[in-house]
Amino acid sequence: DVKVTQSSRYLVKRTGEKVFLECVQDMDHENMFWYRQDPGLGLRLIYFSYDVKMKEKGDIPEGYSVSREKKERFSLILESASTNQTSMYLCASSHQGGGQPQHFGDGTRLSIL
Amino acid sequence: AQKITQTQPGMFVQEKEAVTLDCTYDTSDQSYGLFWYKQPSSGEMIFLIYQGSYDEQNATEGRYSLNFQKARKSANLVISASQLGDSAMYFCAMSFAGGYNKLIFGAGTRLAVHP
Repeated sequence: DVKVTQSSRYLVKRTGEKVFLECVQDMDHENMFWYRQDPGLGLRLIYFSYDVKMKEKGDIPEGYSVSREKKERFSLILESASTNQTSMYLCASSHQGGGQPQHFGDGTRLSIL
Repeated sequence: AQKITQTQPGMFVQEKEAVTLDCTYDTSDQSYGLFWYKQPSSGEMIFLIYQGSYDEQNATEGRYSLNFQKARKSANLVISASQLGDSAMYFCAMSFAGGYNKLIFGAGTRLAVHP
């Protein structure tokens, strides 16, 4: 089975801190994605990567950056955390090609105080 | 711009009954894909079913079927013989050609199955 592992299930940080969310997948997927989920808004794409060191902005990239140094690992970075970044963060991965479903990690519930 | 609309914030159904969750989409692309995901209270997103825009037959996966009406731009999920474990959030999502399998999600529908 595909396994997408997010480093933390729950995380509490302070305003202004630099926050790292890590995601690792074990199925050699080319594509990796970071979403945030807020009630009533569904999932919104922050960044995605289609290859090592390649990244593209999603719909809400402001305040975030990403890093993909190895194929299996995709990190989301909050450069200077703010309270409006309190949310559920979901990582996903997929093969390239039409119709390939994304496989998700269990999510990280991040609270910025 | 692509958009997914789920108009039912919440639904309930009696155990063993069938239920339809609505999804409409907006795109000018000819090639796209439609997905349904389930999110139980534990938080993980579970892939349920996929329909390609060129697929002529409605997709089915066990108790899940996708009622695809291309002209109406709708992709409703039908769950037959509901079970208590079907209680969850359900998200409709769309991918599009050349989009690296990026997904655009609807706001979701919360389904409650009553005994």
